[in-house]
Amino acid sequence: QSALTQPASVSGSPGQSITISCTGTSSDVGGYNSVSWYQQHPGKAPKFMIYEVSNRPSGVSNRFSGSKSGNTASLTISGLQAEDEADYYCCSYATGTTPWVFGTGTKVTVL
Amino acid sequence: EVQLVESGGGLVQPGGSLRLSCAASGFSFSGYWMSWVRQAPGKGLEWVAIIKQDGSEKYYVDSVRGRFTISRDNAKNSLYLQMNSLRAEDTAVYYCARDNVDSRDYWGQGTLVTVSS
Repeated sequence: QSALTQPASVSGSPGQSITISCTGTSSDVGGYNSVSWYQQHPGKAPKFMIYEVSNRPSGVSNRFSGSKSGNTASLTISGLQAEDEADYYCCSYATGTTPWVFGTGTKVTVL
Repeated sequence: EVQLVESGGGLVQPGGSLRLSCAASGFSFSGYWMSWVRQAPGKGLEWVAIIKQDGSEKYYVDSVRGRFTISRDNAKNSLYLQMNSLRAEDTAVYYCARDNVDSRDYWGQGTLVTVSS
């Protein structure tokens, strides 16, 4: 099972919106609504941001939103803030011998 | 407050063994699937293993199957990862995480495993 494909980096200015893609196949992202997203600041543990494609856990800012079309899931950060600068990872359920697979990760830079 | 605290990491020679532990508190541990996720230095997250609430189902990433064993003790609110035949490529920070709504909703702070001679 290969890692899901994410862009290595995405950047934006404060206040702007950015979107991070997460591309898989019909055996993972496209086949299930079990996509989640995680934020990780340097030296810290990942933080749970989105579950089941588009649901936000309590306490997560509504500036973060998720969606999916076909084999690609997306995380959108609106009103970009300096504190959003971090690495972001998607994760999906997958058929096969390995039931969960993470994306390659995206570094978000706030210009 | 949900807390997950990993321990047991350290330096081990190639071919050696190590047992990681994760102490859980603040929630009903026996009611949740639990996972191990690792992150090699400077690299991305990799899901490693998962165990069902009663331990009756376990799944692994292909690269560790047959070498690693995930287990749990619900009476002690603890999760374990027995790692045998360790390789240099197993060097990583290992996180335990609670599984909920098809996600990993709480994570520990991680424990570093270094495989080197």
